[in-house]
Amino acid sequence: DAGVTQSPTHLIKTRGQQVTLRCSPKSGHDTVSWYQQALGQGPQFIFQYYEEEERQRGNFPDRFSGHQFPNYSSELNVNALLLGDSALYLCASSLRTRSYEQFFGPGTRLTVL
Amino acid sequence: AQSVTQLDSQVPVFEEAPVELRCNYSSSVSVYLFWYVQYPNQGLQLLLKYLSGSTLVKGINGFEAEFNKSQTSFHLRKPSVHISDTAEYFCAATRNDYKLSFGAGTTVTVRA
Repeated sequence: DAGVTQSPTHLIKTRGQQVTLRCSPKSGHDTVSWYQQALGQGPQFIFQYYEEEERQRGNFPDRFSGHQFPNYSSELNVNALLLGDSALYLCASSLRTRSYEQFFGPGTRLTVL
Repeated sequence: AQSVTQLDSQVPVFEEAPVELRCNYSSSVSVYLFWYVQYPNQGLQLLLKYLSGSTLVKGINGFEAEFNKSQTSFHLRKPSVHISDTAEYFCAATRNDYKLSFGAGTTVTVRA
């Protein structure tokens, strides 16, 4: 049973560029949440997707957007990258009926130069 | 939104000694609580969770935690640590909704 997978593992971008991160949820899960973990800090909730729609959103600007596909996989897009966007981006999957039980992927390390 | 406070940013401990990591949360209603572990350059792995029922929760790798509603605490303990327990530990809370709120983390360093 595959767990949550994310790609790529690492990514280096320059300021102003755009980036897309990808996530495949754990088998049987229908809900995907994204978190940003800056160095030395705990993860911060970005948003959650269910039934291909953004259901809830944390305190992040509109530069952060996402998408969920019919197979429940998801993408996180960040436009106009800033140095402060450098972080580990974590994807978590869950069942909608038990959305508090989230299983995390290994993350994508984004470095903005 | 939940607020989670981990009271210790770093905890050095000798191998085979006990360890306790402290976590307090802010809430006056029911809450679900979790402890996650993060090894270097990896994602988060769930150690244990409190949803309801017994206040003493046992998790993987010999860890346990006690939910104390009156003190709004959820401290993590292990009676005897190993070198392999060196990692970052995060306490998290949610009110049965979409979002986990995490503490800032506690770095545990186990020394021989």
